[in-house]
Amino acid sequence: GAGVSQSPSNKVTEKGKDVELRCDPISGHTALYWYRQSLGQGLEFLIYFQGNSAPDKSGLPSDRFSAERTGGSVSTLTIQRTQQEDSAVYLCASSEGLRQPQHFGDGTRLSIL
Amino acid sequence: TQLLEQSPQFLSIQEGENLTVYCNSSSVFSSLQWYRQEPGEGPVLLVTVVTGGEVKKLKRLTFQFGDARKDSSLHITAAQPGDTGLYLCAGDAGNNRKLIWGLGTSLAVNP
Repeated sequence: GAGVSQSPSNKVTEKGKDVELRCDPISGHTALYWYRQSLGQGLEFLIYFQGNSAPDKSGLPSDRFSAERTGGSVSTLTIQRTQQEDSAVYLCASSEGLRQPQHFGDGTRLSIL
Repeated sequence: TQLLEQSPQFLSIQEGENLTVYCNSSSVFSSLQWYRQEPGEGPVLLVTVVTGGEVKKLKRLTFQFGDARKDSSLHITAAQPGDTGLYLCAGDAGNNRKLIWGLGTSLAVNP
């Protein structure tokens, strides 16, 4: 498809396990963003990429969170040693440029038991 | 720190009613974007306003950018259940910085 694709759509895991979330942006979009959203709440910025570089990692909650982007395309968000408070929907978006309108995937709903 | 405040935070109305939601800041933005998010989906862009005083219409939705480009409003006429969702505004502060997001207004339109 032509939109932003995220996988998995749902992930249930036990506390302490590592998880990896994937985002396939729209082809040609140079900017890619990760957000976290708790039920019914607004977007919490985590990190963004311009190409393969991450100029702003200020939103990552702790050193258990990391992200990378390769080939200016696919990005993965990794959460190590998951905690119950990590439960949320993780949204990925891409845009043609940093200040351009963002196109979102439908998110990964992460539940930590 | 630049902030965008959205109000009200929650709104529950009956089908057919009119409503206005607000997005306010003390800072100037070069443009402002409005998104709607439906349950289980990501936000979808509705409109971008760029010029101070600009008014844009999208069917029953009217968007206005304040003259000073510090605030914006979204007015919905004759709301329908399909308008239910989370309405988010995001401001472009320029200077190659990322968008600033409001926390959203959660709208429920009851049949």
